[in-house]
Amino acid sequence: GNSVTQMEGPVTLSEEAFLTINCTYTATGYPSLFWYVQYPGEGLQLLLKATKADDKGSNKGFEATYRKETTSFHLEKGSVQVSDSAVYFCALSTNNNDMRFGAGTRLTVKP
Amino acid sequence: DTAVSQTPKYLVTQMGNDKSIKCEQNLGHDTMYWYKQDSKKFLKIMFSYNNKELIINETVPNRFSPKSPDKAHLNLHINSLELGDSAVYFCASRTSGEETQYFGPGTRLLVL
Repeated sequence: GNSVTQMEGPVTLSEEAFLTINCTYTATGYPSLFWYVQYPGEGLQLLLKATKADDKGSNKGFEATYRKETTSFHLEKGSVQVSDSAVYFCALSTNNNDMRFGAGTRLTVKP
Repeated sequence: DTAVSQTPKYLVTQMGNDKSIKCEQNLGHDTMYWYKQDSKKFLKIMFSYNNKELIINETVPNRFSPKSPDKAHLNLHINSLELGDSAVYFCASRTSGEETQYFGPGTRLLVL
């Protein structure tokens, strides 16, 4: 079945550090890939997405590239801020629009 | 002008009680979902409705019963609440042909 595996947290970084959160997927067909972010006490918000191989999604300084050869969609940001502290979820969606989420990675950014 | 709203935001109740959580979306979407998020933040889909019809019904105890009176609403009724039902429940919606789901703020349920 379809599934998403993302790196376990928690991840703690200092402000302005480089961020990578790894995400790999298993799917039949050609899924769309997503990163959602959940700030404390809130629901999930779409951060970025990519719908086909080699597409790059980007938003708020975050980027992720759909790599079909490595079945990956790693999230990166060059310089994190305290306000980026949140839980990040990698997810995939296939033709039947059944979305599967990874376990979530908690990021804490310290000043 | 909240897109996806849930009520109540917090719910504290005793074991064995019956409770309902309501969800409404004003985005004109035709598909709605209920997810359960446990204390470790793991997110699990419970139900999906499309145009008021049940599409996805994951392995969920039959104490949980969703009801969709119209396309804009998907309510979740839980009978005989158990300690293990304590979690955050999220409603989400999307429109056909679009994969992005939009989430509500969550309902934090605590069963004592």
